[in-house]
Amino acid sequence: DTAVSQTPKYLVTQMGNDKSIKCEQNLGHDTMYWYKQDSKKFLKIMFSYNNKELIINETVPNRFSPKSPDKAHLNLHINSLELGDSAVYFCASSQDMGGNSPLHFGNGTRLTVT
Amino acid sequence: AQSVTQLGSHVSVSEGALVLLRCNYSSSVPPYLFWYVQYPNQGLQLLLKYTTGATLVKGINGFEAEFKKSETSFHLTKPSAHMSDAAEYFCAVSAFDSWGKLQFGAGTQVVVTP
Repeated sequence: DTAVSQTPKYLVTQMGNDKSIKCEQNLGHDTMYWYKQDSKKFLKIMFSYNNKELIINETVPNRFSPKSPDKAHLNLHINSLELGDSAVYFCASSQDMGGNSPLHFGNGTRLTVT
Repeated sequence: AQSVTQLGSHVSVSEGALVLLRCNYSSSVPPYLFWYVQYPNQGLQLLLKYTTGATLVKGINGFEAEFKKSETSFHLTKPSAHMSDAAEYFCAVSAFDSWGKLQFGAGTQVVVTP
């Protein structure tokens, strides 16, 4: 059973379109995250949710809107896609917001905007 | 504010040789420290973590890391490299003033040659 699963694995779309990425974790964790990995492999946090409540919004354009219907799911909707949005997006979860709780990552969604 | 520096974006080692990946952090107080590994087209996987206590931490796949407060370092080592160790390695820091914001280093790609 995959602990953190995200879909789709690949997403190719044109500029201006709207797309969503879904994430689910079956670990019973309270906290979920979205990270963006750029072409140089640099990882940057975008959002974190704890028990469905938004905790971190790391100066992400408001074209990006996360939604957490319950603590096992965190989806990411992106409006008006731009070329610079091309990246790999990782969902992750941790037991809680404590700094010593390690993150469990999904396998990523590679978004290509043409 | 915390930051993480990984020295060397690429490291090439021979099979059977020592693997040494360097990580230095800057933080006002000793943080929690992590090493993650990313295999091609996969998410990140926890190798090991330091929270408190023993400064030499053992992880999976024969890796270990030592927390040295005086040097603000958390270098990762493995005595004998295996071909399967070829991957991207990330050092990460979680500090008391920014729980939930795991700060990643830029990553070090390890290539293992026969």
